[in-house]
Amino acid sequence: ILNVEQSPQSLHVQEGDSTNFTCSFPSSNFYALHWYRWETAKSPEALFVMTLNGDEKKKGRISATLNTKEGYSYLYIKGSQPEDSATYLCAWDIGGNKLVFGAGTILRVKS
Amino acid sequence: EADIYQTPRYLVIGTGKKITLECSQTMGHDKMYWYQQDPGMELHLIHYSYGVNSTEKGDLSSESTVSRIRTEHFPLTLESARPSHTSQYLCASSLGRTLANYGYTFGSGTRLTVV
Repeated sequence: ILNVEQSPQSLHVQEGDSTNFTCSFPSSNFYALHWYRWETAKSPEALFVMTLNGDEKKKGRISATLNTKEGYSYLYIKGSQPEDSATYLCAWDIGGNKLVFGAGTILRVKS
Repeated sequence: EADIYQTPRYLVIGTGKKITLECSQTMGHDKMYWYQQDPGMELHLIHYSYGVNSTEKGDLSSESTVSRIRTEHFPLTLESARPSHTSQYLCASSLGRTLANYGYTFGSGTRLTVV
């Protein structure tokens, strides 16, 4: 069974708070792990593609880590801003140019 | 400016009608995909194409069909819409041998409601 789990399902934080989400995926047949940000009424936007165990990637206030042996990735947002409000999707790259997506974590940042 | 275009953005249509959801990309990507998402659920792959005249069904069974006559165009058709087809449909494309280099470029989606 190909299953990607994301937690929490939704998160409400105050402006300035730091937060993190989890993505769990099967640890076998791993090619890559993708993170996307999906703002309302827009297209999902690629944040990170992570391929190696222990990978850490950073883009501004957002960073991600990867553990392929235990099958999880964390996404961190430091000092959340209202413009960070979006759904954050992770996707397990199973090869063959196909992604298996989680249901996403909805983040709402209140000012 | 979007490199992958989906039309319409929103569609409300009656049961039994034939509909075509359009997806076009200007990047010359060989690989294109259709995903379906019900509210609060995962994106599920319903169709994909690795190039002209190549189409495959995805992991989620769908009554829709697709065609790929031109590289840039990957329309999805429902011959007879039903309320169970109410969902969001996302089109995507990718470049390169593996997604590990580039990932997907997504369109902005079509939200379909069948009444």
